Amino acid sequence: DAGVIQSPRHEVTEMGQEVTLRCKPISGHNSLFWYRQTMMRGLELLIYFNNNVPIDDSGMPEDRFSAKMPNASFSTLKIQPSEPRDSAVYFCASTVTGGNYGYTFGSGTRLTVV
Amino acid sequence: GNSVTQMEGPVTLSEEAFLTINCTYTATGYPSLFWYVQYPGEGLQLLLKATKADDKGSNKGFEATYRKETTSFHLEKGSVQVSDSAVYFCALNSYSGGGADGLTFGKGTHLIIQP
Repeated sequence: DAGVIQSPRHEVTEMGQEVTLRCKPISGHNSLFWYRQTMMRGLELLIYFNNNVPIDDSGMPEDRFSAKMPNASFSTLKIQPSEPRDSAVYFCASTVTGGNYGYTFGSGTRLTVV
Repeated sequence: GNSVTQMEGPVTLSEEAFLTINCTYTATGYPSLFWYVQYPGEGLQLLLKATKADDKGSNKGFEATYRKETTSFHLEKGSVQVSDSAVYFCALNSYSGGGADGLTFGKGTHLIIQP
């Protein structure tokens, strides 16, 4: 099992540019989560999907952030336009709904907006 | 709402010392409890878990017991190694409507083990 796969691992972009982060969950997992990690705020849940349907996006900081899950094997988190305060590590995680298996995290995308 | 409180770090210990990292929680219903570990530059890895009161999770010499009466899930290890240096996160989750709701994390405790 390849685990949760995120791309890119590192992204450096200029303020105002569009940024797209990608995630491939573990096959068979039907819940997917996007988290953001910063020194100041720790780990924040941004949005999560159950069976490809967005359930709660109350953690998304602004309308500049959007997430999609077009199918069970792919999700994107988009920031448009990006700002320096969006610099953080973004993690994707997946699990099986209704189980207590714990969540499997990807290696994260380190985003730097200059 | 749900919340998790961890002792603040960094926690610095000598190799072979006994480790305790405190974790308390507030949650509705009957959450599952987890400890995750994050090594530098990596994602979070599940270390151990407990799904009901009095359950003990254990892995790699680490243990934690789900204490409902004190709403705690303290992490312990009898003899730490330099390789245990990492950031440790206590977390909980709860389900509603049959779906997963997302983990609620503590702020993390940075553990430093000196040789």
